[in-house]
Amino acid sequence: SQKIEQNSEALNIQEGKTATLTCNYTNYSPAYLQWYRQDPGRGPVFLLLIRENEKEKRKERLKVTFDTTLKQSLFHITASQPADSATYLCALDSTGGFKTIFGAGTRLFVKA
Amino acid sequence: GAGVSQSPSNKVTEKGKDVELRCDPISGHTALYWYRQSLGQGLEFLIYFQGNSAPDKSGLPSDRFSAERTGGSVSTLTIQRTQQEDSAVYLCASSLVGGRAGGELFFGEGSRLTVL
Repeated sequence: SQKIEQNSEALNIQEGKTATLTCNYTNYSPAYLQWYRQDPGRGPVFLLLIRENEKEKRKERLKVTFDTTLKQSLFHITASQPADSATYLCALDSTGGFKTIFGAGTRLFVKA
Repeated sequence: GAGVSQSPSNKVTEKGKDVELRCDPISGHTALYWYRQSLGQGLEFLIYFQGNSAPDKSGLPSDRFSAERTGGSVSTLTIQRTQQEDSAVYLCASSLVGGRAGGELFFGEGSRLTVL
């Protein structure tokens, strides 16, 4: 069956370090993969989209990689700040490509 | 408004009652999604509308759940005979394009449903 896996354990890092979050998927051949940020009590907010023919994408302190062979995306936040503390969700189009499916998210805590 | 609007923001109801949750998507967005998020959990897909096509209802958990989208704009999610396990935040999102074209989703702030 189709599965999207994100590390359910929270990630704790020190301010200034690089945070790396992982999204693995099985039984999908997604055309794209997206990353969202969700703060407590709020709806998710879009961060980045990477397509299947792209290996890497950057936006300010954010970097996303997409390895369709490993079926994995890595999401990096460089020079992390306490304000980056949130839950980060990966999402991809379902097999058949008609809807967007989300992983369970990884909670990130950045300590000052 | 410029964003996705959901109402009510909070709803407390008694078990067995029906509830309606409303979503106003961003004007011009052809795709509309409903998701459910239980406390501390990820987003569970419920239903997807794309233009005038038949909706993808594959995520609806039971026949007590239904949704419609009128005139390609406003959507209503209806839960009949609510149960305590229906308690969750119901999130609506819209997108300019759907399917494999890969549009970013714009979310509302959600409707928090509590079934007593």
